[in-house]
Amino acid sequence: AQKVTQTQTSISVVEKTTVTMDCVYETRDSSYFLFWYKQTASGEIVFLIRQDSYKKENATVGHYSLNFQKPKSSIGLIITATQIEDSAVYFCAMRATGYQNFYFGKGTSLTVIP
Amino acid sequence: DMKVTQMPRYLIKRMGENVLLECGQDMSHETMYWYRQDPGLGLQLIYISYDVDSNSEGDIPKGYRVSRKKREHFSLILDSAKTNQTSVYFCASSPGCIADYTFGSGTRLLVI
Repeated sequence: AQKVTQTQTSISVVEKTTVTMDCVYETRDSSYFLFWYKQTASGEIVFLIRQDSYKKENATVGHYSLNFQKPKSSIGLIITATQIEDSAVYFCAMRATGYQNFYFGKGTSLTVIP
Repeated sequence: DMKVTQMPRYLIKRMGENVLLECGQDMSHETMYWYRQDPGLGLQLIYISYDVDSNSEGDIPKGYRVSRKKREHFSLILDSAKTNQTSVYFCASSPGCIADYTFGSGTRLLVI
C-alpha cells in the first residue's frame, strides 16, 4: 500500500531564513515520483517541484529544493530565503509508476514572520 | 493559459437536494480526478476518470457519482446531499501517469 506522512503540522520561521519540511513515504514499487504542492490562503493548489525516484540528484526550482534520501524513504522540501508570501500549506505527494492517482500527505502549515 | 476551471466556487444546498459540481480543462488531459478536502484529513480521492466514459472509484466514492461525456469536462454528482458532504471539492487533471496534477480552484460546498 502507498502512504505519505507529514509529521509537522505547522512551522513558523522568520523571513529570509531557510526552512525544511519533512515527508516520508511508503511504497513497494521500485519506481515512483514525488511531488510537493503549495496551497495558498485563497485555496489554490499549485505544483512546486518533483523528484523522480531513479534520479540521484536532488531537484531544485528557484528557491525550492529537495532533500531526497531514498534509503530512508524521505523527501524533504527546503525553502531558502523565505518570503512572507511563502506562508501556505505544503503537501507532499507520491505517485507510483503505472498508477494514475497520487497519495497525499496531510500537509504542513508554514507561517513566515516578518 | 492552461487551466482547470471549477464551477461554482461556492454553493449552499439543503440536505436531500441534488448537487452538480462541474469541472473543465483546456489541456486535453486524459485523466481527471475529484478530491474532497477536510480539516485534518487532507485530500481524499473520490473518483478518477481515465477518459470519456471510463471512470473508477477512488477511496471514498460512497454518496457520489461522476459523469464524463467529453474529455474536457468531468462532473461530480451528489444525489440527495448529506450534511457530512460539506467540504471543499477539488478537481484535477493530468496528461499521463508520471506527470503532475493541475488543480482547479475548488468548490466550497455547504449542505445544511
